Amino acid sequence: EVQLVESGGGLVKPGGSLRLSCTASGFNIERYNMKWVRQAPGKGLEWVSSIRTFRDSTYYADSVQGRFTISRDNSKNSLFLQMNSLRAEDTAVYYCARESVNIYCIADCFSDSWGLGTLVTVSS
Amino acid sequence: DIVMTQSPDPLSVSLGERATVYCRSSQSLLHSSNNKTYLAWYQHKSGQPPKLLVYWASIRESGVPDRFTGSGSGTDFTLTISSLQTEDVAVYYCHQYYSRPFTFGPGTKVDIK
Repeated sequence: EVQLVESGGGLVKPGGSLRLSCTASGFNIERYNMKWVRQAPGKGLEWVSSIRTFRDSTYYADSVQGRFTISRDNSKNSLFLQMNSLRAEDTAVYYCARESVNIYCIADCFSDSWGLGTLVTVSS
Repeated sequence: DIVMTQSPDPLSVSLGERATVYCRSSQSLLHSSNNKTYLAWYQHKSGQPPKLLVYWASIRESGVPDRFTGSGSGTDFTLTISSLQTEDVAVYYCHQYYSRPFTFGPGTKVDIK
């Protein structure tokens, strides 16, 4: 059974840092593109960052570019999100998600499995 | 950036009746290289992860009840629940994976009238 479990969320002051982890089971993350998606309180879903299997290429939303870093450790079957210079507007539930390996996907694809999420609160 | 819009919000429907959610993208989601439409639908219940319902605009994910149907092309899409059940109460999001930044619609909250 495919499972994704996020951890590392919590309360942090503006300007602070936090590192989120996502531990996968039931599949090998090294074979999949992975994403982080967030949902601010009372808001919709927002793509944050992606990492591809090809050369571990990384991509970021403009709102987090230069502050967040996505990475993976295949030996631990885990995905990470290092978040620096946090702002109040980064407050959200952060989900990790696995991209499908559908044969019709040219580069990027829809996400077919998601974790339960971890809450990050940025407040003084 | 591709902007996704949805209507209506919220949507109240009687049990057993049809529920229709509309989604529009600011540009076509049809990829000319493979003739695929890069549009997915997710169901999101409070305290649960988003659940994939439909991809390529109209392909139902394995295990999703057949009362859920995705349709549409180009820039206009529809998710139809043919006979609303209590377990279908949720927020529904359309999502484009055509190009970065990947974007979602604002969501449509579906509940029982």
